[in-house]
Amino acid sequence: DSGVTQTPKHLITATGQRVTLRCSPRSGDLSVYWYQQSLDQGLQFLIQYYNGEERAKGNILERFSAQQFPDLHSELNLSSLELGDSALYFCASSPTPTGTDTQYFGPGTRLTVL
Amino acid sequence: AQSVTQLDSHVSVSEGTPVLLRCNYSSSYSPSLFWYVQHPNKGLQLLLKYTSAATLVKGINGFEAEFKKSETSFHLTKPSAHMSDAAEYFCVVINDRGSTLGRLYFGRGTQLTVWP
Repeated sequence: DSGVTQTPKHLITATGQRVTLRCSPRSGDLSVYWYQQSLDQGLQFLIQYYNGEERAKGNILERFSAQQFPDLHSELNLSSLELGDSALYFCASSPTPTGTDTQYFGPGTRLTVL
Repeated sequence: AQSVTQLDSHVSVSEGTPVLLRCNYSSSYSPSLFWYVQHPNKGLQLLLKYTSAATLVKGINGFEAEFKKSETSFHLTKPSAHMSDAAEYFCVVINDRGSTLGRLYFGRGTQLTVWP
């Protein structure tokens, strides 16, 4: 158990809808990272937050947004969902903003868009 | 630019035989390199990491990897495979500076099958 929790485990929704994925980092970790794992794209970095502020952006679509709250949990919002958004979404956490220390991954949220 | 190439998408070995999972990287800076393992329906677990200390890195479950700068490689090995090693393995490079500081770049993964 990495200490990173993600809810829900599974999410099934329809095209055009909006969903919110939640992540709670390990105790004491200030950085949260979001990743998308799909069959065609593999594992891709989406976005990083550090202590409530956006730190780095990766291949995140404009339809997606994230935030980190004062209690350090983070939410990833996916809107106007398309079939291609079906994927496993992971969050990870680490203590520092640099990310060169170990990132600890949550179990993931599997999103299915029908 | 940073990138990682895992040279084999699938590797099959018999239990008790050695494992070699190959990884080549490209990095503009001095990289930090990781191997993560993903068991079915589970999150990613860190196996080992290289951060410019010793070039031979020992990880969990008997795995180790050697950083070879001249070959830009970071291959993962284990002397004797166990059935529980069957999983997908990801080689990862991370920047330690620049605009993409902290961003992980993942290889496409190597699926390891272990036959009894």
